[in-house]
Amino acid sequence: GAVVSQHPSWVICKSGTSVKIECRSLDFQATTMFWYRQFPKQSLMLMATSNEGSKATYEQGVEKDKFLINHASLTLSTLTVTSAHPEDSSFYICSAKGETDFLSNQPQHFGDGTRLSIL
Amino acid sequence: GDSVTQMEGPVTLSEEAFLTINCTYTATGYPSLFWYVQYPGEGLQLLLKATKADDKGSNKGFEATYRKETTSFHLEKGSVQVSDSAVYFCALITGGFKTIFGAGTRLFVKA
Repeated sequence: GAVVSQHPSWVICKSGTSVKIECRSLDFQATTMFWYRQFPKQSLMLMATSNEGSKATYEQGVEKDKFLINHASLTLSTLTVTSAHPEDSSFYICSAKGETDFLSNQPQHFGDGTRLSIL
Repeated sequence: GDSVTQMEGPVTLSEEAFLTINCTYTATGYPSLFWYVQYPGEGLQLLLKATKADDKGSNKGFEATYRKETTSFHLEKGSVQVSDSAVYFCALITGGFKTIFGAGTRLFVKA
């Protein structure tokens, strides 16, 4: 159980285009979703946290106009990298938690990540 | 604030060697502790967890014991395989919300 599906797994696009990454919880309702960015050989950097139906909360230093997050339903969150440039190239990972996961410090459920390459 | 410190890598071992990856934490309250594994090009997978002091989490031959007195959660495996080559992240949750990750330790296992 607790499967998170992330799509696409790999995307290559030209500089200036916008890219949307989807994160779906397949067998549970994800009340909260987290978006991370991971640079090569580094740990995960939390970008933002989103609760279903609410605006995302961005971490300090993350441009909210650059990284648009939508969490419109209990099973889907999207991250849109707007006007992407080569410096936005990275590995993006989503994770999700259901409501009961918060009650007992249960772990987050992670997607498989999306490798974004901007040419 | 809460934090996780784990040993720097990379760790390079021969197949069947004993593995220890050290992890210590700082947290207010009573955190739950986790080890995640990330294989090349993939997301994170939960490897094991422990939710209270003296709990031992185990999975796939890996073990870690929640030591409150030393605020540690060291990962061990008695005999590593080439397929264990990956990055291992120690993490904690306290208060039910955000996961705090360590920097990750890369493990290379040679045949």
